[in-house]
Amino acid sequence: DTIMTQSPLSLPVTPGEPASISCRSSQSLLHNNGYNYLDWYLQKPGQSPQLLIYLGSHRASGVPDRFSGSGSGTDFTLKISRVEAEDVGVYYCMQALQLPVTFGPGTKVDI
Amino acid sequence: QLQLQESGPGLVKPSETLALTCTVSGGSISSRNYYWGWIRLPPGKGLEWIGNIYYGGSTYYNPSLKSRVTISVDRSKNQFSLKLSSVTAADTAIYYCARQSVYSSSLEAFDIWGQGTVVTVS
Repeated sequence: DTIMTQSPLSLPVTPGEPASISCRSSQSLLHNNGYNYLDWYLQKPGQSPQLLIYLGSHRASGVPDRFSGSGSGTDFTLKISRVEAEDVGVYYCMQALQLPVTFGPGTKVDI
Repeated sequence: QLQLQESGPGLVKPSETLALTCTVSGGSISSRNYYWGWIRLPPGKGLEWIGNIYYGGSTYYNPSLKSRVTISVDRSKNQFSLKLSSVTAADTAIYYCARQSVYSSSLEAFDIWGQGTVVTVS
């Protein structure tokens, strides 16, 4: 299985300040089409997970531009340029390039 | 707008079979560009992928659950279903159904999720 790790696992944030989460995979997620098959999700309290970033760096529909994804191969980063109170929850990275689909352990972000 | 809704018993006895259905509304399950999947969130743990199905019936399962899992599709009802046999307390979780996109013939993101349903094994 492709193992996904995240750091930190807990991230206190301050509204208006930037924040960053790292995700590392045990195998390369670079497809031969040039895209990285790495996604980011946010699960807000009491809600289902929602897709934030797909293919490593593409924002999903309706996602604010303060969220950005970067990285390639095995190392990826999710950045929030200016945290807002509504950004609290658990952030997961996920890969589906190699079955089984695997998720990172999650990073809990709170104010 | 496409929506997914899980349904099924919230309480299952140990050793019995958990059975859930996901109803797709606002769009067709018979789309070439998507798989349909099940993911669960056990209490205090992270997300775990259970398996996927294509509208044509082909499936992928998590090897850790494969011996106990069956996912099926009913195109006439625009639904897909999950059966998990011989359940134990470790199968207690919130179960989500979700749509997974296919890009360059490879599975990619889960872009639409159901609201989730709590299943307790006790």
